[in-house]
Amino acid sequence: QLVLTQPPSASASLGASVKLTCTLSSGHSSYAIAWHQQQPEKGPRYLMKLNSDGSHNKGDGIPDRFSGSSSGAERYLTISSLQSEDEADYYCQTWGTGIRVFGGGTKLTVL
Amino acid sequence: QVQLQESGPGLVKPSETLSLTCTVSGASISTFYWNWIRQPPGKGLEWIGYSGSTNYNPSLKSRVTISVDTSKNQFSLKLSSVTAADTAVYYCARDRGGTNSYFEFWGQGTLVTVSS
Repeated sequence: QLVLTQPPSASASLGASVKLTCTLSSGHSSYAIAWHQQQPEKGPRYLMKLNSDGSHNKGDGIPDRFSGSSSGAERYLTISSLQSEDEADYYCQTWGTGIRVFGGGTKLTVL
Repeated sequence: QVQLQESGPGLVKPSETLSLTCTVSGASISTFYWNWIRQPPGKGLEWIGYSGSTNYNPSLKSRVTISVDTSKNQFSLKLSSVTAADTAVYYCARDRGGTNSYFEFWGQGTLVTVSS
């Protein structure tokens, strides 16, 4: 079964960097994912597609502070030079034949 | 620029059918995959299904119908026999399918409350 697992929360200080994790279920370590950001009281926004080799394609207007990387079944979103507006929920998403799947989301707090 | 806009009743009675429409501009509804996603208050995102098929979330499949109106460049969601558990913000979103089945464009969402 295709499942994505995310820690429910993360925190980091203003101006620092943070690395969020999304883990693919067993047998699916080659899958690409996408990262989406949801700021408070807003709809989700596409950030990037992240492949198993770490290559990624960002959406229009996504700052260079956002980057992605991969290791095995783990997919990462790194946000550098954290700003207050980065405080948001971050969801990973993947897909298979006839199905789309979300992780449970990580709530990022900027201290 | 692709834009999506959800519309429909904000209040639905229990046991009735929830009906929403997503109007698309900047792209043809005849290409790509057009999805419905929902988010219960305070919870995460849940994929419902996409147009042009019966590829729906197995947990909702028996109650969901997604259809397309190419003349209006719209697609619609019908969810039958609703309960309070179906109260959520409903989003429409587009993906390209295949190796690019990520939600590149999203609507702003519409809150549907199920209550008598």
